Amino acid sequence: GQQLNQSPQSMFIQEGEDVSMNCTSSSIFNTWLWYKQDPGEGPVLLIALYKAGELTSNGRLTAQFGITRKDSFLNISASIPSDVGIYFCAGQLFAGGTSYGKLTFGQGTILTVHP
Amino acid sequence: GAGVSQSPSNKVTEKGKDVELRCDPISGHTALYWYRQSLGQGLEFLIYFQGNSAPDKSGLPSDRFSAERTGGSVSTLTIQRTQQEDSAVYLCASSLRGEGGWSTDTQYFGPGTRLTVL
Repeated sequence: GQQLNQSPQSMFIQEGEDVSMNCTSSSIFNTWLWYKQDPGEGPVLLIALYKAGELTSNGRLTAQFGITRKDSFLNISASIPSDVGIYFCAGQLFAGGTSYGKLTFGQGTILTVHP
Repeated sequence: GAGVSQSPSNKVTEKGKDVELRCDPISGHTALYWYRQSLGQGLEFLIYFQGNSAPDKSGLPSDRFSAERTGGSVSTLTIQRTQQEDSAVYLCASSLRGEGGWSTDTQYFGPGTRLTVL
Protein backbone atom coordinates (compact mmCIF):
# COMPACT_ATOMS: atom_id res chain seq x y z
CA GLY A 1 0.00 0.00 0.00
CA GLN A 2 0.91 3.64 -0.03
CA GLN A 3 3.56 4.75 2.43
CA LEU A 4 4.30 8.24 3.69
CA ASN A 5 7.70 9.02 5.13
CA GLN A 6 7.66 12.04 7.41
CA SER A 7 10.76 13.70 8.80
CA PRO A 8 12.11 14.61 11.18
CA GLN A 9 10.57 12.35 13.81
CA SER A 10 11.11 14.97 16.50
CA MET A 11 12.42 18.50 16.90
CA PHE A 12 13.54 20.48 19.91
CA ILE A 13 13.74 24.19 19.20
CA GLN A 14 13.90 27.54 20.96
CA GLU A 15 10.99 29.91 20.89
CA GLY A 16 11.30 32.23 17.92
CA GLU A 17 13.05 29.74 15.66
CA ASP A 18 11.65 28.56 12.35
CA VAL A 19 10.70 24.92 11.81
CA SER A 20 10.54 22.81 8.68
CA MET A 21 9.19 19.29 8.24
CA ASN A 22 8.42 17.25 5.15
CA CYS A 23 6.73 14.18 3.78
CA THR A 24 7.50 12.01 0.81
CA SER A 25 5.40 9.32 -0.77
CA SER A 26 6.03 6.33 -2.99
CA SER A 27 2.98 7.26 -5.07
CA ILE A 28 1.02 10.35 -5.97
CA PHE A 29 -1.78 12.07 -4.13
CA ASN A 30 -4.13 14.75 -5.40
CA THR A 31 -4.50 16.42 -2.01
CA TRP A 32 -1.95 16.96 0.74
CA LEU A 33 -3.03 17.88 4.25
CA TRP A 34 -1.20 18.93 7.39
CA TYR A 35 -2.74 18.23 10.80
CA LYS A 36 -1.69 19.10 14.34
CA GLN A 37 -2.52 16.91 17.32
CA ASP A 38 -2.42 18.18 20.89
CA PRO A 39 -2.21 15.71 23.79
CA GLY A 40 -5.52 13.96 24.39
CA GLU A 41 -7.10 15.46 21.30
CA GLY A 42 -7.79 14.39 17.76
CA PRO A 43 -5.87 15.87 14.84
CA VAL A 44 -6.94 19.32 13.69
CA LEU A 45 -6.52 20.40 10.09
CA LEU A 46 -3.96 23.20 9.63
CA ILE A 47 -3.52 23.50 5.88
CA ALA A 48 -4.94 21.74 2.82
CA LEU A 49 -3.19 21.72 -0.56
CA TYR A 50 -5.14 20.81 -3.68
CA LYS A 51 -2.85 21.49 -6.63
CA ALA A 52 0.66 20.40 -7.56
CA GLY A 53 3.09 23.26 -6.98
CA GLU A 54 0.64 25.11 -4.73
CA LEU A 55 2.13 27.19 -1.93
CA THR A 56 -0.33 28.09 0.82
CA SER A 57 0.03 30.13 3.99
CA ASN A 58 -2.06 30.21 7.14
CA GLY A 59 -0.63 32.77 9.56
CA ARG A 60 2.85 31.60 10.52
CA LEU A 61 2.37 28.33 8.65
CA THR A 62 3.40 27.78 5.05
CA ALA A 63 3.00 24.54 3.16
CA GLN A 64 3.74 23.42 -0.37
CA PHE A 65 2.39 20.63 -2.58
CA GLY A 66 5.33 19.20 -4.51
CA ILE A 67 5.37 19.34 -8.30
CA THR A 68 5.70 15.55 -8.54
CA ARG A 69 2.60 15.16 -6.27
CA LYS A 70 4.69 12.85 -4.12
CA ASP A 71 5.89 15.27 -1.48
CA SER A 72 4.96 18.22 0.70
CA PHE A 73 6.60 20.40 3.31
CA LEU A 74 5.35 22.49 6.21
CA ASN A 75 7.19 25.50 7.62
CA ILE A 76 6.39 27.23 10.89
CA SER A 77 7.95 30.63 11.34
CA ALA A 78 8.78 32.35 14.64
CA SER A 79 7.69 29.40 16.78
CA ILE A 80 5.85 29.98 20.05
CA PRO A 81 5.25 27.61 22.99
CA SER A 82 1.71 26.75 21.86
CA ASP A 83 3.13 25.26 18.66
CA VAL A 84 4.08 22.23 20.75
CA GLY A 85 2.39 19.07 19.55
CA ILE A 86 2.54 16.35 16.94
CA TYR A 87 2.31 17.36 13.30
CA PHE A 88 1.07 14.88 10.73
CA CYS A 89 1.08 15.01 6.99
CA ALA A 90 -1.64 13.13 5.16
CA GLY A 91 -2.19 12.30 1.54
CA GLN A 92 -5.59 11.92 -0.01
CA LEU A 93 -6.44 10.39 -3.36
CA PHE A 94 -9.81 10.89 -4.97
CA ALA A 95 -10.01 8.78 -8.09
CA GLY A 96 -13.27 10.26 -9.25
CA GLY A 97 -16.76 11.25 -8.25
CA THR A 98 -17.67 7.79 -7.04
CA SER A 99 -14.69 7.27 -4.80
CA TYR A 100 -13.84 8.74 -1.44
CA GLY A 101 -10.69 10.28 -0.07
CA LYS A 102 -9.10 7.81 2.29
CA LEU A 103 -6.32 9.51 4.23
CA THR A 104 -2.84 8.00 4.43
CA PHE A 105 -0.85 9.51 7.31
CA GLY A 106 2.82 10.06 7.95
CA GLN A 107 4.37 8.90 11.21
CA GLY A 108 4.26 12.38 12.74
CA THR A 109 6.80 14.98 13.87
CA ILE A 110 6.90 15.72 17.59
CA LEU A 111 7.66 19.40 18.12
CA THR A 112 8.96 20.74 21.42
CA VAL A 113 9.44 24.48 21.84
CA HIS A 114 11.57 25.76 24.70
CA PRO A 115 10.62 29.24 25.97
CA GLY B 1 -23.00 18.99 18.96
CA ALA B 2 -20.50 21.18 17.18
CA GLY B 3 -17.85 18.53 16.65
CA VAL B 4 -17.21 14.80 16.55
CA SER B 5 -17.58 13.21 19.97
CA GLN B 6 -16.36 9.83 21.16
CA SER B 7 -16.99 7.77 24.25
CA PRO B 8 -15.58 6.63 26.50
CA SER B 9 -12.49 8.83 26.51
CA ASN B 10 -10.52 6.08 28.26
CA LYS B 11 -11.16 2.35 28.52
CA VAL B 12 -9.13 -0.16 30.47
CA THR B 13 -10.04 -3.78 29.95
CA GLU B 14 -8.67 -7.21 30.60
CA LYS B 15 -7.32 -9.40 27.85
CA GLY B 16 -10.06 -11.51 26.34
CA LYS B 17 -12.92 -9.13 27.12
CA ASP B 18 -15.04 -7.42 24.46
CA VAL B 19 -15.17 -3.63 24.17
CA GLU B 20 -17.42 -1.17 22.36
CA LEU B 21 -16.32 2.27 21.31
CA ARG B 22 -18.81 4.91 20.26
CA CYS B 23 -18.59 7.78 17.79
CA ASP B 24 -21.08 10.60 17.26
CA PRO B 25 -20.23 12.40 14.01
CA ILE B 26 -20.98 15.98 13.11
CA SER B 27 -24.67 16.33 12.33
CA GLY B 28 -25.35 16.00 8.61
CA HIS B 29 -22.04 14.34 7.77
CA THR B 30 -22.68 11.29 5.60
CA ALA B 31 -19.18 9.85 5.78
CA LEU B 32 -17.59 8.38 8.90
CA TYR B 33 -14.11 6.92 9.36
CA TRP B 34 -12.35 4.96 12.08
CA TYR B 35 -8.58 5.15 12.57
CA ARG B 36 -6.20 3.61 15.08
CA GLN B 37 -3.16 5.37 16.49
CA SER B 38 -0.61 3.25 18.27
CA LEU B 39 1.97 4.82 20.56
CA GLY B 40 4.39 6.96 18.56
CA GLN B 41 2.75 6.08 15.27
CA GLY B 42 0.67 7.81 12.67
CA LEU B 43 -2.97 7.08 12.14
CA GLU B 44 -3.91 3.77 10.57
CA PHE B 45 -7.16 3.56 8.60
CA LEU B 46 -9.64 0.94 9.79
CA ILE B 47 -13.03 1.39 8.11
CA TYR B 48 -15.11 3.90 6.13
CA PHE B 49 -18.89 4.31 6.25
CA GLN B 50 -21.05 6.03 3.67
CA GLY B 51 -24.40 6.35 5.36
CA ASN B 52 -24.99 3.01 7.09
CA SER B 53 -22.95 0.90 4.70
CA ALA B 54 -19.23 0.26 4.82
CA PRO B 55 -17.74 0.26 1.31
CA ASP B 56 -14.21 -0.03 2.64
CA LYS B 57 -13.37 -2.33 5.56
CA SER B 58 -9.88 -3.04 4.32
CA GLY B 59 -8.13 -1.65 7.38
CA LEU B 60 -9.76 -3.86 10.00
CA PRO B 61 -6.82 -5.88 11.36
CA SER B 62 -8.69 -9.11 12.13
CA ASP B 63 -12.16 -10.63 12.36
CA ARG B 64 -12.20 -9.66 16.03
CA PHE B 65 -12.86 -6.11 14.85
CA SER B 66 -16.26 -5.02 13.57
CA ALA B 67 -18.17 -1.78 13.23
CA GLU B 68 -21.65 -0.65 12.48
CA ARG B 69 -23.42 2.60 11.89
CA THR B 70 -27.11 3.22 12.45
CA GLY B 71 -29.43 5.97 11.27
CA GLY B 72 -26.63 7.45 9.23
CA SER B 73 -25.25 8.84 12.46
CA VAL B 74 -23.77 7.04 15.47
CA SER B 75 -21.16 4.37 14.89
CA THR B 76 -19.88 1.65 17.20
CA LEU B 77 -16.53 -0.10 16.84
CA THR B 78 -16.47 -3.46 18.60
CA ILE B 79 -13.35 -5.41 19.46
CA GLN B 80 -13.95 -8.97 20.61
CA ARG B 81 -11.56 -11.01 22.75
CA THR B 82 -9.21 -8.06 23.14
CA GLN B 83 -5.47 -8.61 22.98
CA GLN B 84 -2.67 -6.46 24.38
CA GLU B 85 -1.67 -5.39 20.87
CA ASP B 86 -5.11 -3.78 20.52
CA SER B 87 -4.03 -1.10 22.99
CA ALA B 88 -4.10 2.21 21.10
CA VAL B 89 -6.07 5.40 20.65
CA TYR B 90 -9.08 4.84 18.40
CA LEU B 91 -10.06 7.95 16.48
CA CYS B 92 -13.25 8.64 14.60
CA ALA B 93 -13.65 11.26 11.88
CA SER B 94 -16.56 12.46 9.78
CA SER B 95 -16.87 14.40 6.55
CA LEU B 96 -19.77 15.97 4.74
CA ARG B 97 -19.84 13.89 1.59
CA GLY B 98 -17.35 11.05 1.44
CA GLU B 99 -18.26 9.28 -1.78
CA GLY B 100 -19.07 11.77 -4.43
CA GLY B 101 -17.01 14.34 -2.65
CA TRP B 102 -13.80 15.86 -3.91
CA SER B 103 -10.64 17.28 -2.50
CA THR B 104 -12.37 19.77 -0.25
CA ASP B 105 -14.26 17.07 1.66
CA THR B 106 -12.40 17.67 4.92
CA GLN B 107 -12.35 15.02 7.63
CA TYR B 108 -12.93 16.31 11.17
CA PHE B 109 -11.63 14.18 14.02
CA GLY B 110 -12.98 13.39 17.46
CA PRO B 111 -10.76 13.34 20.56
CA GLY B 112 -10.36 9.59 20.47
CA THR B 113 -10.80 6.70 22.90
CA ARG B 114 -7.64 5.48 24.59
CA LEU B 115 -7.92 1.70 24.96
CA THR B 116 -5.61 -0.14 27.32
CA VAL B 117 -5.71 -3.94 27.38
CA LEU B 118 -4.08 -5.43 30.46
